[in-house]
Amino acid sequence: QMQLQESGPGVVMPSETLSLTCTVSGGSISKSSFYWGWIRQPPGKGLEWIGSTYYSGNAYYDPSLKGRVTISVDTSKNQFSLNVTSVTAADTAIYYCVVLTGYVDDYWGRGTLVTVSS
Amino acid sequence: QSALTQPPSASGSPGQSVTISCTGTSGGVGDNKYISWYQHHPGQAPKLIIHEVSKRPSGVPDRFSASKSGNTASLTVSGLQPEDEADYYCSSYAGGNNWVFGGGTKVTVL
Repeated sequence: QMQLQESGPGVVMPSETLSLTCTVSGGSISKSSFYWGWIRQPPGKGLEWIGSTYYSGNAYYDPSLKGRVTISVDTSKNQFSLNVTSVTAADTAIYYCVVLTGYVDDYWGRGTLVTVSS
Repeated sequence: QSALTQPPSASGSPGQSVTISCTGTSGGVGDNKYISWYQHHPGQAPKLIIHEVSKRPSGVPDRFSASKSGNTASLTVSGLQPEDEADYYCSSYAGGNNWVFGGGTKVTVL
């Protein structure tokens, strides 16, 4: 059973870059047909799709975040990462790394809270 | 991106049924076979309870059922139990390896 685990700083200063990493265990990023993605949930709000990438680098992002978001893969470490630039308080959220397929294959990390604050 | 609209809340007594709607545009729901439902207890990762409109993953009780009609997908929880109190989200495939979520429905077991 594949497992995902987010890691990264819990606090980020406004205008700086939010960087999170997702470590994949129980499966190989480069040997699967999955897209590796990120979802966030701001406090008191619903789930928001951020984007996803294939291991070869074909990334897709939600249009509302496009331009500030980069999702990348490090196959040597079996990890994928999220960068969000120029963060504001509106980027404060629980961030989940995920694999969504539309089928029964569906994997989520436990989530990590990132607070944008000075 | 098409938007999915859910009611903010629903409630029922133990043993009763609740139905949650998820309404979108034609491309968001009506023509889409990739409609999923998630159960989310605070502090935990969301759990997939329905995929491909009405299919239940192994281990999900058959109290959970779902369907679609036109541009509205629906999730029904029958025989409500205290542990069913949670937030429920619908999602659909939006193309280009992107997904869209509904705003979530908080289910309260009275």
